[in-house]
Amino acid sequence: GAVVSQHPSRVICKSGTSVKIECRSLDFQATTMFWYRQFPKKSLMLMATSNEGSKATYEQGVEKDKFLINHASLTLSTLTVTSAHPEDSSFYICSARDAGRDTGELFFGEGSRLTVL
Amino acid sequence: GQNIDQPTEMTATEGAIVQINCTYQTSGFNGLFWYQQHAGEAPTFLSYNVLDGLEEKGRFSSFLSRSKGYSYLLLKELQMKDSASYLCAVRDSNYQLIWGAGTKLIIKP
Repeated sequence: GAVVSQHPSRVICKSGTSVKIECRSLDFQATTMFWYRQFPKKSLMLMATSNEGSKATYEQGVEKDKFLINHASLTLSTLTVTSAHPEDSSFYICSARDAGRDTGELFFGEGSRLTVL
Repeated sequence: GQNIDQPTEMTATEGAIVQINCTYQTSGFNGLFWYQQHAGEAPTFLSYNVLDGLEEKGRFSSFLSRSKGYSYLLLKELQMKDSASYLCAVRDSNYQLIWGAGTKLIIKP
C-alpha cells in the first residue's frame, strides 16, 4: 500500500525558534498533501492544502506567515512552524492523496508531536 | 453548516460486537470514510462507502444510508488492540474531508 513518511516524529524546541516537519510519499506521487493539527481528545483540524508547485491554500484562521508550507516536489511537502510558542505545541499530521487510486483515499504520515518550551 | 456526529466514548467487552454510529449533514456527499487512530499515532484507513449498503472487511464492516445521512462501523470479535478512537469523515461536494470528533472505544477483558 501507499506509504507516507513524516519526520521528525517528536520534536522539542525553545520558544522563538522555528521547526520544520517533512512529509514524504514514498511509493506514489502526491500532487496534493494536507496538513492537520490535532489537539488532545479533538478531531483533526485541517490547516492547509499543499499543492505541488503552487502556493498552499490555508484554512480560515490559520496564519500563513506562522505556518509556512512548501510543496517542492511530487513526493515532499514541508511545514515550518516559525517563531514557535508554547501554544503551538500540538500533534501535526500530514496526509497525501494518491491520484492513481479511485477512492481518493488519504494516506497519513505517522504524525509529529511538537512541544515548545 | 457542516456537521458530523458520533458518540464521544463507548465501552465494550473483549470478544463482543460493537457498533459505532455516525450521522452527518454536509454540503454534498462524495463518500464516507472510517479511520482508526491509536493514541499518539496518525489515523489508519478502515473503510470507504460511497453507495448505500454494507461493506465487509474481515472483523470490520461499515454501513451507509445516504438518504438518512447515517453510517455505522461494526466491529466483531473485539480484541484488546481494538481500543482506539474511530473517526468518521465525509467528503463533501468540494472533495473536502469533514471530520467527526471521533469515538473513543474502550475494550474491557
